[in-house]
Amino acid sequence: EVQLVESGGGLVQPGGSLRLSCAASGFSLSDYWMQWVRQSPGKGLVWVSRLSGDGSNAAYADSVKGRFTISRDNAKNTLYLEMNSLRDEDTAVYYCGRGCFSDSGGCVGYWGQGTLVTVSS
Amino acid sequence: DIQMTQSPSSLSASIGDRVTITCRASQSVRTYLNWYQQKPGKAPNLLIWTTSNLHSGVPSRFSGSGSGTDFTLTITSLQPEDSATYYCQQSYTTPITFGQGTRLEIK
Repeated sequence: EVQLVESGGGLVQPGGSLRLSCAASGFSLSDYWMQWVRQSPGKGLVWVSRLSGDGSNAAYADSVKGRFTISRDNAKNTLYLEMNSLRDEDTAVYYCGRGCFSDSGGCVGYWGQGTLVTVSS
Repeated sequence: DIQMTQSPSSLSASIGDRVTITCRASQSVRTYLNWYQQKPGKAPNLLIWTTSNLHSGVPSRFSGSGSGTDFTLTITSLQPEDSATYYCQQSYTTPITFGQGTRLEIK
């Protein structure tokens, strides 16, 4: 059974940093594209970043480019999102997701339960 | 960036009704259009991938169609558990973008 479990969210001050983790089970991270999608309170879904199975191809939304870094540890089967220079507008539930199929870099077939990041002084 | 616009933003329908939600892209996304359902406090769930392919376990009353810039999600014979917010998503190019969502309420 495919499972994704996010962790690492919490309260952080503006300008601070946080690292989110997404522990995967039921499949090998190296076989799939992985993504981060966020949702601010009461708002819609916003794509943040994605990473290819071999880790060679990463992409970011303009709003986080240069501040966030997506990475993976295939030995731990875990995806990460390193978030620096956090802003109030980064406050959201962050979801990790697995590509629908092994070559799918777009659609998200499986989602974690989400982890809440609150940026506030 | 490709803008995705859904209509309507919200709707109310009765059990057994046929419901159609539309999604328009600001430029062609070919058939790289996906649909998700999200219930309050829960993660989204994939319904349809690449315009018209039903995800595993999704009831057959859900269907999708379209190509290029205009797409539809149709729910035939609406059920109580279909009350949710629905999002379209283009996966043709980065940045990947979502529609603003359509909130479906059951009368």
